[in-house]
Amino acid sequence: QAQLVESGGGVVQPGGSLRLSCAASGFTFTAYALHWVRQAPGRGPEWVALLNYDGNEKHYADSVKGRFTISRDSSKNTLYLQMNNLRTEDTAVYYCAKDRGGPWGEIGSWGPGTLVTVSS
Amino acid sequence: DIQMTQSPSTLSASVGDTVTITCRASQSIGSWLAWHQQKPGKAPKVLIYEASNLQSGVPSRFSGSGSGTEFTLTISSLQPDDFATYYCQQYITYSYTFGQGTKLEIK
Repeated sequence: QAQLVESGGGVVQPGGSLRLSCAASGFTFTAYALHWVRQAPGRGPEWVALLNYDGNEKHYADSVKGRFTISRDSSKNTLYLQMNNLRTEDTAVYYCAKDRGGPWGEIGSWGPGTLVTVSS
Repeated sequence: DIQMTQSPSTLSASVGDTVTITCRASQSIGSWLAWHQQKPGKAPKVLIYEASNLQSGVPSRFSGSGSGTEFTLTISSLQPDDFATYYCQQYITYSYTFGQGTKLEIK
């Protein structure tokens, strides 16, 4: 049973940085694409970034391109999201999600999420 | 980006009812559509993938259909645990976009 647990959320000022972590267990970490998806208060989910199974391909939503970086440490079974130059509109719960193993974006499981608040 | 539009935004129903939620894509996405259920303060949960395939462990009263640009999620014989918000999501191309959600309320 795949388990994903996010951490690293908190309150940060506009223009600041934060790094989120997602600890994975229960599956072969290097065999699946992984995502970050966020959800602003009262809104639907918004896909943020994808890292493919071998870590060689990354894709980002236009809203975060150039500011956020997705990466992983396979020795620690951990996915990261480095967030720089944060804006108030980045305030959201950030979820880590794992693909089912089929086409990219076919999510199979979600973590419980971590809250990021960007405010002065 | 592909836009996903759900209807209705809110749906009131009673335990035992059968309800249908519609999701329309702004362009054809084949069958690359998932449905997720979310309860307040919790992460989404995958119900259906590839338009009509039930995720393991999801009750058979949930069913999905459609292809191209129009899709439906049907919940038969509503149970108290089913009152939640439902989102469709396309994954034919990034950005993988979600619908705005349908809140299923108890009548």
